[in-house]
Amino acid sequence: DAKTTQPNSMESNEEEPVHLPCNHSTISGTDYIHWYRQLPSQGPEYVIHGLTSNVNNRMASLAIAEDRKSSTLILHRATLRDAAVYYCILRDVNTGTASKLTFGTGTRLQVTL
Amino acid sequence: DTAVSQTPKYLVTQMGNDKSIKCEQNLGHDTMYWYKQDSKKFLKIMFSYNNKELIINETVPNRFSPKSPDKAHLNLHINSLELGDSAVYFCASSQDLGGSYYNEQFFGPGTRLTVL
Repeated sequence: DAKTTQPNSMESNEEEPVHLPCNHSTISGTDYIHWYRQLPSQGPEYVIHGLTSNVNNRMASLAIAEDRKSSTLILHRATLRDAAVYYCILRDVNTGTASKLTFGTGTRLQVTL
Repeated sequence: DTAVSQTPKYLVTQMGNDKSIKCEQNLGHDTMYWYKQDSKKFLKIMFSYNNKELIINETVPNRFSPKSPDKAHLNLHINSLELGDSAVYFCASSQDLGGSYYNEQFFGPGTRLTVL
């Protein structure tokens, strides 16, 4: 799987937007960009995924650079409940059955009042 | 309704013992996984099963033996426990869509194993 690079940690104030960057300069044309997050003492949970176009869902937005070498997860209004480790993961569209998620170190997001 | 459940939540045991962790999913998925998160918080795949068949075995010591009695269950048995086995073990499941890029994985709450 191609590698991703994320900042170790970020801070945000509550109710403000948060932009979590991810670099994936070796991304291949068949790699989808997935984001998962892990809240304290919980298992990871899916956030969003995309290929080329920007994506929105109820949790977040995903902005993908035109050259696809980077992407940004956007939380529009951070709350204390969004404090978690956010993982950017590449998954090949040609992946086989029961494919694994390859987690990096992620970005620890701290949200303060 | 719990989608992916694991028991026990905490497990404290002595070195050399044999222990099992159970996982059940009620999502109707046909693929299940075990991940290990070590003390440095690195999350790594251990095994995956599809329709009770072993698909991924990521160079895990053979003291670890997964068992899938049916599609809804994937248990992890560990023999001769060692100090280095202390970690949080997460079970996950997904609906395998024939190699789709998008088979979102649903994770359980984790089992914290402490080997003394």
